[in-house]
Amino acid sequence: GDSVTQMEGPVTLSEEAFLTINCTYTATGYPSLFWYVQYPGEGLQLLLKATKADDKGSNKGFEATYRKETTSFHLEKGSVQVSDSAVYFCALIGRGSNYKLTFGKGTLLTVNP
Amino acid sequence: DGGITQSPKYLFRKEGQNVTLSCEQNLNHDAMYWYRQDPGQGLRLIYYSQIVNDFQKGDIAEGYSVSREKKESFPLTVTSAQKNPTAFYLCATAERGAGNEQFFGPGTRLTVL
Repeated sequence: GDSVTQMEGPVTLSEEAFLTINCTYTATGYPSLFWYVQYPGEGLQLLLKATKADDKGSNKGFEATYRKETTSFHLEKGSVQVSDSAVYFCALIGRGSNYKLTFGKGTLLTVNP
Repeated sequence: DGGITQSPKYLFRKEGQNVTLSCEQNLNHDAMYWYRQDPGQGLRLIYYSQIVNDFQKGDIAEGYSVSREKKESFPLTVTSAQKNPTAFYLCATAERGAGNEQFFGPGTRLTVL
């Protein structure tokens, strides 16, 4: 079945540091890939997505590129802010999955001033 | 304004009682989903519905039940058969179609006393 593996946290960075959160996946065919963010006590918000190979999703300074050859969708940001502190989830919708999202376990990011 | 409403935000239940969590949306989305989130874990799918009067079990449906009598509403009942119901419950909606992202409500935190 489909699965998502993302780097375990927690990740602690200083403000303005570079962020990478690794995400790899297993799926049949070509899934759609997503990054969601969850702030404390809230639901999930879509951060960015990519629906085909080599697509780059971007939003609020975050980027991720759909790499079919390495089955990866790593999240990056060049300069993090304290307000980026949250839990980040990598997820996919596989072809033939009846549109069900499969999530990674999430990575807690803490950014210190 | 458009969105997804979950109520209540916090819910306390005694062991042996059934409880129903509400999810309402005015986004006109066909598909609705219920997820369970436990600390340090990703989201796990409980039930989903692609269309009114139809729904399917997700990965952890045991001890839960749902109904989909209206497009706007997808209530989840946590029954006394659910052995470990304390968790954060998230409702999501999506337009039908491959690759469409899911939009999440703010969640309900259920605690069994």
